[in-house]
Amino acid sequence: KQEVTQIPAALSVPEGENLVLNCSFTDSAIYNLQWFRQDPGKGLTSLLLIQSSQREQTSGRLNASLDKSSGRSTLYIAASQPGDSATYLCAVRANSGYALNFGKGTSLLVTP
Amino acid sequence: DTGVSQNPRHKITKRGQNVTFRCDPISEHNRLYWYRQTLGQGPEFLTYFQNEAQLEKSRLLSDRFSAERPKGSFSTLEIQRTEQGDSAMYLCASSLGTVREAFFGQGTRLTVV
Repeated sequence: KQEVTQIPAALSVPEGENLVLNCSFTDSAIYNLQWFRQDPGKGLTSLLLIQSSQREQTSGRLNASLDKSSGRSTLYIAASQPGDSATYLCAVRANSGYALNFGKGTSLLVTP
Repeated sequence: DTGVSQNPRHKITKRGQNVTFRCDPISEHNRLYWYRQTLGQGPEFLTYFQNEAQLEKSRLLSDRFSAERPKGSFSTLEIQRTEQGDSAMYLCASSLGTVREAFFGQGTRLTVV
């Protein structure tokens, strides 16, 4: 069974800092990996999707990398802002099956 | 593209009652997923539809749960004889093919009292 782990569980940084969120998964036979943002009590907002054949994806201040062989992905947020405060979730889709397997998320607080 | 729509947003029900949730996916998306999320946890997969066919169900989906997607459009998730342990956020997602991004709705928060 695919296990997805996100470290750290919580992170507090001052505004302007660059930061890295980590995601690891136990089974490298993945189809793709997706990063989401979730605000309290809300649904999930898709941030970046990386296919298994790709190494990274970028959107604005966000950059996600994927090392499938080592079972790791990182989400890099540049020049953090208070509006970035949210929970960030990593999810992988295995080659077999249709489900996204989620980590528990990293709760990010960016202070002014 | 109006996004994935879920109704109701909140539902409070007494233990033992039946509840039904609705999900309207993005119009051209043929894949539809249901997930459940409890506090402090990531979403857990419940079931998957490709068009109107239910192709995968999680072991989490007990016999009190049933999902339908008539005509491959909207979907409903029904929980019969609700229990306090069913209290959670129920999330619906849709995608255009397995390789594409999954887009989630705002969820339905269920509270069983």
